[in-house]
Amino acid sequence: GQQLNQSPQSMFIQEGEDVSMNCTSSSIFNTWLWYKQDPGEGPVLLIALYKAGELTSNGRLTAQFGITRKDSFLNISASIPSDVGIYFCAGPDSGAGSYQLTFGKGTKLSVIP
Amino acid sequence: DAGITQSPRHKVTETGTPVTLRCHQTENHRYMYWYRQDPGHGLRLIHYSYGVKDTDKGEVSDGYSVSRSKTEDFLLTLESATSSQTSVYFCAISGIADEQFFGPGTRLTVL
Repeated sequence: GQQLNQSPQSMFIQEGEDVSMNCTSSSIFNTWLWYKQDPGEGPVLLIALYKAGELTSNGRLTAQFGITRKDSFLNISASIPSDVGIYFCAGPDSGAGSYQLTFGKGTKLSVIP
Repeated sequence: DAGITQSPRHKVTETGTPVTLRCHQTENHRYMYWYRQDPGHGLRLIHYSYGVKDTDKGEVSDGYSVSRSKTEDFLLTLESATSSQTSVYFCAISGIADEQFFGPGTRLTVL
């Protein structure tokens, strides 16, 4: 199946700093989804992107659908302690059907107060 | 938040015993999924359902079975639990779009 590569795998930042992470694929995606998972909880959908070049914001979060359709980016501005967690990208697995998703392995974010 | 509950939230069992995990949704979504999440492997699809009594295998289906007799319930059964099935299990649902919404998870330990 398709694979999604997320980078960085982990990052430590100071509170107040901006954060950038990305997700790349060797194949084209028609949808990009970004999730956040808090410790001990299930992933929560943050942003969904459906068009190449699309830029969508959700509060301090901004995500972009790359124009090549093989990548996506998530930015967090002015980080706060509650931003801590694992951020996953995901996209529909075109080879599988039935709305199955391929997930990246996640970027673990730690925020130092 | 999507109305998804999982039960139990935590379970400890012994090798060889059967285990059933339940996922319940109040959203009337057609698609339901079972994933397991393990360090280094991320989220891996076990089984999914595309309607009542319609199910199919995912990436890591060996040792697991599922049933969906009602739209709102999707059961995952480990017929004879093994230590390699110690994991966190997540249920997810989706409607007509690609977006999936996850439940809170079940932490299963097989001794």
